[in-house]
Amino acid sequence: QSALTQPASVSGSPGQSITISCTGTSSDVGAYNYVSWYQQHPGKAPKLMIYDVTNRPSGISNRFSGSKSGNTASLTISGLQAEDEADYYCSSYTSSSTYVVFGGGTKLTVL
Amino acid sequence: EVQLVESGGGLVQPGGSLRLSCAASGFTFSNYAMSWVRQAPGKGLEWVSGISGGGGSTYYADSVKGRFTISRDNSKNTLFVQMNSLRAEDTAVYYCAKNPYTSGRGAFNWFDPWGQGTLVTVSS
Repeated sequence: QSALTQPASVSGSPGQSITISCTGTSSDVGAYNYVSWYQQHPGKAPKLMIYDVTNRPSGISNRFSGSKSGNTASLTISGLQAEDEADYYCSSYTSSSTYVVFGGGTKLTVL
Repeated sequence: EVQLVESGGGLVQPGGSLRLSCAASGFTFSNYAMSWVRQAPGKGLEWVSGISGGGGSTYYADSVKGRFTISRDNSKNTLFVQMNSLRAEDTAVYYCAKNPYTSGRGAFNWFDPWGQGTLVTVSS
C-alpha cells in the first residue's frame, strides 16, 4: 500500500491532454509544496519531470505541467506524443518518520 | 554532465549482507545530500535512505531502520549503503540519486538525476 494514491492507468490519443492525480494527506501533499513527478520508461531509471509542485527542470518540455489543490497534486501532459508512454510516479516530502513518500505509479498508454 | 554509477548488487541469501556503492561525477559531491531509492520487481518506488552532504546526518525508512547503514566518502565522491540482515522483501533494483540541497529533512524534496540501478536479489 503506497502512501500516495495514483490511478493505476490512464490513456489518451496523440495530441490530447491527460491528467494524473496524486492524493495524499495533510501530512504530506496538503501541507507542503514539495511534490515531484518522475517518468520511467521500461528498464530505465526514473527521470525528474516536475519539482516543487509546478517547476520544470531544464530540458523538460513545457507540455508537462504540475498543480496542487488541497491534498491532491496533478500532472498534466498536453499534446500527447508516443514517447510519453511510460510509468509516472509522484513523490512528496512528509512530516512523518518516513521523510519521503511515493505514489504507486500510473501507467500512461498513448493509443 | 552529472553521472551516478551504482555497483555491488547480486544474489545473497536471507540474513546475509551486501554493500552497494555509487560513484558520482560531474558535480561538487559534498555540496549535496544523496539518497538510495529502491524498486521491487514490477512494483513502485520506495525511498530507502538519505544522507546530508557532509555525511553527519542520516535518515532511514522504517522498513530498513536498524538493518541498513548509509555513508559517503566525499574524498572519493562515492555513496554507500551497507545492507545487513537481508530479507526476501529487500529484493529490488537499488538506485542512488542526487538531492537538491546539502542538509535538512527538506534536502530530499526531489531526486535528480538517478543512476542506472543495481539489482539485489535475496533468495536461498
